Amino acid sequence: EVQLVESGGGLVQPGGSLRLSCVASGFTVSSNYMSWVRQAPGKGLEWVSLIYSGGSTFYADSVKGRFTISRDIPKNTLYLQMNSLRAEDTAVYYCARDNTDMVTLDYWGQGILVTVSS
Amino acid sequence: HSALTQPASVSGSLGQSITISCTGMITDVGGRHFVSWFQHHPGKAPKLLIFEVSNRPSGLSNRFSGSKSGNTASLTISGLQAEDEADYYCNSYSTSDTLARFYVFGTGTKVTVL
Repeated sequence: EVQLVESGGGLVQPGGSLRLSCVASGFTVSSNYMSWVRQAPGKGLEWVSLIYSGGSTFYADSVKGRFTISRDIPKNTLYLQMNSLRAEDTAVYYCARDNTDMVTLDYWGQGILVTVSS
Repeated sequence: HSALTQPASVSGSLGQSITISCTGMITDVGGRHFVSWFQHHPGKAPKLLIFEVSNRPSGLSNRFSGSKSGNTASLTISGLQAEDEADYYCNSYSTSDTLARFYVFGTGTKVTVL
C-alpha cells in the first residue's frame, strides 16, 4: 500500500528555516517524480516544487532561491528545505507522488502545518 | 501562470448531478490533455478523482466523470451523496519558457450537499 507521511512542520519566525520530511512506503521515492504542494489558510492548492527521478528540480517562482527539494535514497524520504521564510509561506504542506504515466499527482500525504510568525 | 478559474461553490440535493467548471488558457487546459481533478476533505489527503481529462483511477466510483471543451474542463458528480461534500480542485500540467515542468491548480470549489 502506498503511503506518504510528512513531518517537520511547526512555528518559525520570519527569516527562519525549517526542513520538512516525507517518508514514503509502498514505492521507491528515487524511481518516481515527487512534488510538494501547499495550501495557505483559506486558500487553494499551490504547487511548490518537483524533483525528477533523475534528480532535476523545479520550483514555483514564489519559492525559487529559498526552498530546496531533495531526497534520501536509503531512507526513501523526500525533503523540502525552506529558508528565508515569510509570513506568506504559512500553509499546510503536502508531499505527493507524481505519476509520469498518468501525468498527475496520484498519492498524497495528509499534510503538515508550517506557521511563519513572530 | 495564473490559477485556473473554478466557481467558488456549487450545491445540489442528494441524488442530483452537479458539474464544476475549470477554465484556463491555451498554454494549460486548452492545449494539453493533462487535466486532473482532486477531492479534498479538510484535514485529509487530497484524493485523485480524474486524470488525463476523463480517466478514473482504478476502483474509483463511476459517479465521477470528466470532460473538456476548449479552455474549459468539467467534473460531473452524478447521484450526489452526503460524503461528496468537500472541496474540489482541478489542475493542469504545463511547461514554462525554459521547459520547466510544473502544475497549475484551480481556485477550488466547495460542494455542498443539500
